[in-house]
Amino acid sequence: DTGVSQDPRHKITKRGQNVTFRCDPISEHNRLYWYRQTLGQGPEFLTYFQNEAQLEKSRLLSDRFSAERPKGSFSTLEIQRTEQGDSAMYLCASSPVFLRTSGGADIQYFGAGTRLSVL
Amino acid sequence: AQSVTQPDIHITVSEGASLELRCNYSYGATPYLFWYVQSPGQGLQLLLKYFSGDTLVQGIKGFEAEFKRSQSSFNLRKPSVHWSDAAEYFCAVGIFKAAGNKLTFGGGTRVLVKP
Repeated sequence: DTGVSQDPRHKITKRGQNVTFRCDPISEHNRLYWYRQTLGQGPEFLTYFQNEAQLEKSRLLSDRFSAERPKGSFSTLEIQRTEQGDSAMYLCASSPVFLRTSGGADIQYFGAGTRLSVL
Repeated sequence: AQSVTQPDIHITVSEGASLELRCNYSYGATPYLFWYVQSPGQGLQLLLKYFSGDTLVQGIKGFEAEFKRSQSSFNLRKPSVHWSDAAEYFCAVGIFKAAGNKLTFGGGTRVLVKP
C-alpha cells in the first residue's frame, strides 16, 4: 500500500493554457474524490467517482474542468484555458468499498496534492 | 446545507501544554465527523473520526475528540503538545449516501508550538 499518489506535485502555467493532473488511488479503492484548496482555506469538494462512474459534481466545477476515471483506477483532472483564479492545491482522495460496519460512511485517504500556479 | 466552523484561525501553544481546537458544525441529521491534520507540503492525514457510539473518540498521535450533539461541536484535544504537532488542523463533516459521499471542511486552525 503506497498511498494515494498525485502527479505532478507542482505545476506552473500561463493563463490560457490547459493543464492535466493525475491521481492514482490506493489499490482496490473504488471511490475517488477531487478537492480544491485555496490558500488559507479548507478543501472544497469538486467531484467524485465510484469505479468509472462520475456520480456527483460541485458547482465549483465549471465547464472548463473535466475529470475522468476511464478504467476505474487512476483519474485525471483537466483544466482548460486556465485563469489566475484556478491557482490552488488540487487534492485527490480515495476510499475503500462500502463497509456495512461503518454504517455507510467511508474514510477518505488523501494524496499530497498538486499545487497549480497560473501566471 | 451542511457547514463547519473553526473559530480559531491561529493558536500558539507552548510545548508540553495542552491543546484544544474548536469545531462547530451545522447539519440536519446525525453527522459523521472527522479531524484531519496537514503539515506543510503534505496531504491531509486522518487523526480520528466519529460515526456513532461513544462520544469520546481516540485518535492517532495522542489526540482525542468529543462529540457533543447539544452544542453541535466536535472539539479536538491533546494533553501535552509536541513540537511536531505544529501543523494545520481541519474539522470535516461527512455527507454519506448510498451513492454519494463528500466531506465539507472548516477553514482550518493553524497551530504554532513554542519551545
